[in-house]
Amino acid sequence: QEKVQQSPESLIVPEGAMVSLNCSFSDSASQSIWWYQQHPGKGPKALISIFSNGNKKEGRLTVYLNRASLHVSLHIKDSQPSDSAVYLCAVSIGAGAKLTFGGGTRLTVRP
Amino acid sequence: DAGVTQTPRHEVAEKGQTIILKCEPVSGHNDLFWYRQTKIQGLELLSYFRSKSLMEDGGAFKDRFKAEMLNSSFSTLKIQPTEPKDSAVYLCASSLYNERLFFGHGTKLSVL
Repeated sequence: QEKVQQSPESLIVPEGAMVSLNCSFSDSASQSIWWYQQHPGKGPKALISIFSNGNKKEGRLTVYLNRASLHVSLHIKDSQPSDSAVYLCAVSIGAGAKLTFGGGTRLTVRP
Repeated sequence: DAGVTQTPRHEVAEKGQTIILKCEPVSGHNDLFWYRQTKIQGLELLSYFRSKSLMEDGGAFKDRFKAEMLNSSFSTLKIQPTEPKDSAVYLCASSLYNERLFFGHGTKLSVL
């Protein structure tokens, strides 16, 4: 069974800082990796996904995937207080839409 | 906003009761998921439907948890009988043949 581990568990940064979140997974045959953002009292919201080795940039977000080391990271540039949320890494297993989620990283951005 | 709708937002039940949670997926989506979220276990998959067919029923959750998809626009999750350890947030999500899931706000269940 796929295992997804995230680090750190929590992170506090000042506004404007660069944020780096990490995720490791166990199955090299994993399809896509997704990052979701979850604010209190809300369901997770998809932010960005990656399939191929390398990086992908969307706005202030950049995601890096290294399949050899089974590791993916999410970087948030110029962090804002509104970025304060729990960030979930999710990995798909095989064909179809089934995802396995990591435990999440709680990010707090101080004004 | 025609996103995923879950009702009720909060549910309080006595141990042993039967509760039914409801979900309306995004119109046109063919995948529907039920997840349970707790601080300790995180997000756990309970059930997965594709085009109304049950694809996965969550293994360890089979005995007291039953999800049904009555039509393409409505699903229910029944917990019978409830136990205090079932206290959690229950999330419904839908997608269209891909992995980008759209989640509802969830139902917070408290079992006394």
